[in-house]
Amino acid sequence: AQKITQTQPGMFVQEKEAVTLDCTYDTSDPSYGLFWYKQPSSGEMIFLIYQGSYDQQNATEGRYSLNFQKARKSANLVISASQLGDSAMYFCAMREPKAAGNKLTFGGGTRVLVKP
Amino acid sequence: DVKVTQSSRYLVKRTGEKVFLECVQDMDHENMFWYRQDPGLGLRLIYFSYDVKMKEKGDIPEGYSVSREKKERFSLILESASTNQTSMYLCASSVTGHSNQPQHFGDGTRLSIL
Repeated sequence: AQKITQTQPGMFVQEKEAVTLDCTYDTSDPSYGLFWYKQPSSGEMIFLIYQGSYDQQNATEGRYSLNFQKARKSANLVISASQLGDSAMYFCAMREPKAAGNKLTFGGGTRVLVKP
Repeated sequence: DVKVTQSSRYLVKRTGEKVFLECVQDMDHENMFWYRQDPGLGLRLIYFSYDVKMKEKGDIPEGYSVSREKKERFSLILESASTNQTSMYLCASSVTGHSNQPQHFGDGTRLSIL
């Protein structure tokens, strides 16, 4: 069964506008962590933001914020004031504490293209 | 800064060859991982290691093996390469015991099997 689902394979966004990338997850464990990564065309995976299941506040890091809705099991990434350099693949991932070695399960990714 | 270095950015090999992909990290991380990335499928875990000489199968280990003789180095081996192993391979490392710490990735190796 798919543990991490990203339903948007690709999307366009106008420069300077905000964009929301969807991520839903499935776990029966009350303790887990959610990560978002960015992958530019050059290939490297860049860590953006983390949300713990017990965190009281939604995570924010600069222009990135997480819209964490625990009851709905969703952790959507919001990028504010999009820039051309935000064009990339974005991956949502989940870590479950029972997973050995702190391994992550990744979604299929969303490709974002920022238009000037 | 954590540095994860993969030995090659691009690699072309022939069917049936034995292929080695090398990964080195410089942050004394306990955990190391090998993923393959294919369009629409995201990253899928092949193998990981949580200590020297220890290894665990991931979701898609068939056709692959790994070696971790030293803490900083984790090698992925394609015993007899096949065309369906053409993919992007990503290595990552992380610490143990801190659930909010991310995995750190190398730049990836684009492997083509002809």
